[in-house]
Amino acid sequence: AQTVTQSQPEMSVQEAETVTLSCTYDTSESDYYLFWYKQPPSRQMILVIRQEAYKQQNATENRFSVNFQKAAKSFSLKISDSQLGDAAMYFCAYRSARGNEKLTFGTGTRLTIIP
Amino acid sequence: DVKVTQSSRYLVKRTGEKVFLECVQDMDHENMFWYRQDPGLGLRLIYFSYDVKMKEKGDIPEGYSVSREKKERFSLILESASTNQTSMYLCASSTPGQGLIEQYFGPGTRLTVT
Repeated sequence: AQTVTQSQPEMSVQEAETVTLSCTYDTSESDYYLFWYKQPPSRQMILVIRQEAYKQQNATENRFSVNFQKAAKSFSLKISDSQLGDAAMYFCAYRSARGNEKLTFGTGTRLTIIP
Repeated sequence: DVKVTQSSRYLVKRTGEKVFLECVQDMDHENMFWYRQDPGLGLRLIYFSYDVKMKEKGDIPEGYSVSREKKERFSLILESASTNQTSMYLCASSTPGQGLIEQYFGPGTRLTVT
């Protein structure tokens, strides 16, 4: 079974600075999908960014980018120019390209933005 | 805009009660999911459904059942609530198929069992 590990329960960053959240996963599959979701306080979980395993190029969405290292099974999220609205729980998730469509989530990282 | 709604934001029930958590989505999605979110454990899949009246167990189905009589509605049932089922419950929906398919989440129901 696949597992997803987020080793940083909490992180903080100064407003306008850059922060990187780490995520590693364990799988024997070669084809899969990876996601970062954001859960702001008392608000709904939303998708931040996603990546296909067979694509070498790292995904980017505005101030959010990933560093995908397939051999190391690492999928870190970089947030540039951090804003107060980035404060949230961030979850990394894995989805197999075979079988059912379930997501396996990590334990989450709580990100605090320091004004 | 996809909208996933859950019947209650907060719910307090007594041990042994039968509890229904309702989820409705308005985007005609085939797939619907129920997760449980606990601090330090992340989100864990309880059940999911890929069509009306179809369901599959997730990682932690014990103590739960589900019902999907209509495409837009997916209910989570706690037959006899216990204190260890105190948690945040999140519903999600998505279109079917492979690829980078996004799951859309509801606001969550924080259930306390006393």
